[in-house]
Amino acid sequence: DAGVTQSPTHLIKTRGQQVTLRCSPKSGHDTVSWYQQALGQGPQFIFQYYEEEERQRGNFPDRFSGHQFPNYSSELNVNALLLGDSALYLCASSPLARPNYGYTFGSGTRLTVV
Amino acid sequence: KNEVEQSPQNLTAQEGEFITINCSYSVGISALHWLQQHPGGGIVSLFMLSSGKKKHGRLIATINIQEKHSSLHITASHPRDSAVYICAVPNYGGSQGNLIFGKGTKLSVKP
Repeated sequence: DAGVTQSPTHLIKTRGQQVTLRCSPKSGHDTVSWYQQALGQGPQFIFQYYEEEERQRGNFPDRFSGHQFPNYSSELNVNALLLGDSALYLCASSPLARPNYGYTFGSGTRLTVV
Repeated sequence: KNEVEQSPQNLTAQEGEFITINCSYSVGISALHWLQQHPGGGIVSLFMLSSGKKKHGRLIATINIQEKHSSLHITASHPRDSAVYICAVPNYGGSQGNLIFGKGTKLSVKP
């Protein structure tokens, strides 16, 4: 049973560019959450998707947007990249209908903005 | 908003030692997560617990809901246990929604 799959694993972009990160949730999970983890810091919540809609959002600017597809996979888009967007981006999936079943994390996408 | 505190921030142990990492949170929850992160790596979920104690191999996690406190224990520590251990709780006290993470405990086990 595959867990959460994220792609790509590493990415280098230039300041001002746009980037799309992808996440496939664990089988049976319908909710996808995205987190940003800067070097030496704990993960910070970006947003969560359920039924193809943004269900919750953390304190991130509108440059960060997302999408969830009918198969529950999700994308994170970041526009007008800044050097400070360099971080590990983590995706986590969970089943909304079973709230105590918990999260499964992907291995992350490491984004470097130069 | 929930707040999470972990201690210690850094921990160095000799191989074979018993390790304890502590986590306290401010808002009542229904479940708490213990996570492991190796340098440069993604996050692996170790435990999700809502009461009592869970054991997996040499790892033991306990939670006291009334005290809003959890501990992660590692018995007979090994150098491969070296990693950052993070506790996380739901932001709004429930069991869904986003997670709030502690700052992590960096564990280094020396041979």
